[in-house]
Amino acid sequence: DGGITQSPKYLFRKEGQNVTLSCEQNLNHDAMYWYRQDPGQGLRLIYYSQIVNDFQKGDIAEGYSVSREKKESFPLTVTSAQKNPTAFYLCASSIVGSSYEQYFGPGTRLTVT
Amino acid sequence: GQQLNQSPQSMFIQEGEDVSMNCTSSSIFNTWLWYKQDPGEGPVLLIALYKAGELTSNGRLTAQFGITRKDSFLNISASIPSDVGIYFCAGHSGNTPLVFGKGTRLSVIA
Repeated sequence: DGGITQSPKYLFRKEGQNVTLSCEQNLNHDAMYWYRQDPGQGLRLIYYSQIVNDFQKGDIAEGYSVSREKKESFPLTVTSAQKNPTAFYLCASSIVGSSYEQYFGPGTRLTVT
Repeated sequence: GQQLNQSPQSMFIQEGEDVSMNCTSSSIFNTWLWYKQDPGEGPVLLIALYKAGELTSNGRLTAQFGITRKDSFLNISASIPSDVGIYFCAGHSGNTPLVFGKGTRLSVIA
């Protein structure tokens, strides 16, 4: 079955530690995205990548970093510089072209204490 | 970035009632999408609209791409308990990522 995998579903970290969230897709999509969701805030774009080895900042990139070494994978690192990292993180992918329908993974809930 | 105004923010309805929600923008979009998110899960694409004036159905769901290309509507007929969730609209234009509304939280009372 084609889809997007995010792991783990729940992640707990101590303040001051960097943490990397995994996102893998086997849909052969060119573009991948990371969103952050807080209660009542909707989806806010952190980073996106439309091609391997290239990525762009979204609206709230500060305190986060990404890499895109393979088409299937787009890991997100939440650094210790992110002031309020506890949130629900969603990864998505899409074809680049006439259709921009994004398909989402199941999400990772990160709790930092 | 661009903003989408989605309303209402939340709604409580009786099972069997019809539901309407909408999204408006100050910018023109070429594509409108509607998603549903169940608690603790990722959003799932419900309907995609590509042409101004287009009316598309998916079961009990109907969505329309506004003639001005600055708005879109989603209707749910004869609501059932599993319709509970957050509904997001999203618009696209140019070579930029989707712009999402803040969501409409739907609660269905049996």
